[in-house]
Amino acid sequence: QVHVQESGPGLVRPSETLTLKCSISNGSLGRSYWSWVRQAPGRGLEWIGYLSPHDTVNFDAPMRGRATMERDTSNNEVSLTLSFVTVADTAVYYCARHADGINYAHLDAWGQGVLVTV
Amino acid sequence: QSAPTQPASVSGSPGQSISISCTGTNSDVGTYNLVSWYQLHPGKAPKLMIYEVSKRPSGVSNRFSGSKSANTASLTISRLQAEDEAEYYCCSYVGNSNVVFGGGTKLTVL
Repeated sequence: QVHVQESGPGLVRPSETLTLKCSISNGSLGRSYWSWVRQAPGRGLEWIGYLSPHDTVNFDAPMRGRATMERDTSNNEVSLTLSFVTVADTAVYYCARHADGINYAHLDAWGQGVLVTV
Repeated sequence: QSAPTQPASVSGSPGQSISISCTGTNSDVGTYNLVSWYQLHPGKAPKLMIYEVSKRPSGVSNRFSGSKSANTASLTISRLQAEDEAEYYCCSYVGNSNVVFGGGTKLTVL
């Protein structure tokens, strides 16, 4: 069974760059689409974007130009980098796997999330 | 892309049944049978409860069921239990490899 764990700096200053890591165990890193989802305080879930098994990315429109995602196969991690953060980026960030190796499939494995405060 | 509309809150007593609606458009919920539902407990990983409108993952109680009519998907929880108290979010594919979450619903078990 896959295990997902997010990590990050906790606190970043406005205009800085935020990098979050998602550690993945049990071998589905290279076969799956991985999405990042966030929840701002008092708000709902917001899909950020995904990284494909072929290392292509797709972001929700508001994130394009500010977000990147990468895969680190040697460390079994995917990362999310968000530049020029503002207080509106304060949220719990989740890493989640799309089922069946399909980008539009449901998210069947999630981490517990990591809180980021800007 | 606008988020599908969910009621902000629903409540029910133990043993009762409740339904949570997720109203989208004919560009998302109405077009694709790719609606999923997630349960959020504070401090825990979100949990997939329903996928592809009405399919239940292994290990999810059969008290949880999903359906769809036109542009509205629904999650029904029968025989309500205290542990069901949580936030619930629908999610729909919207084309162009994008998905969108509903606004979320807080379920209170009285």
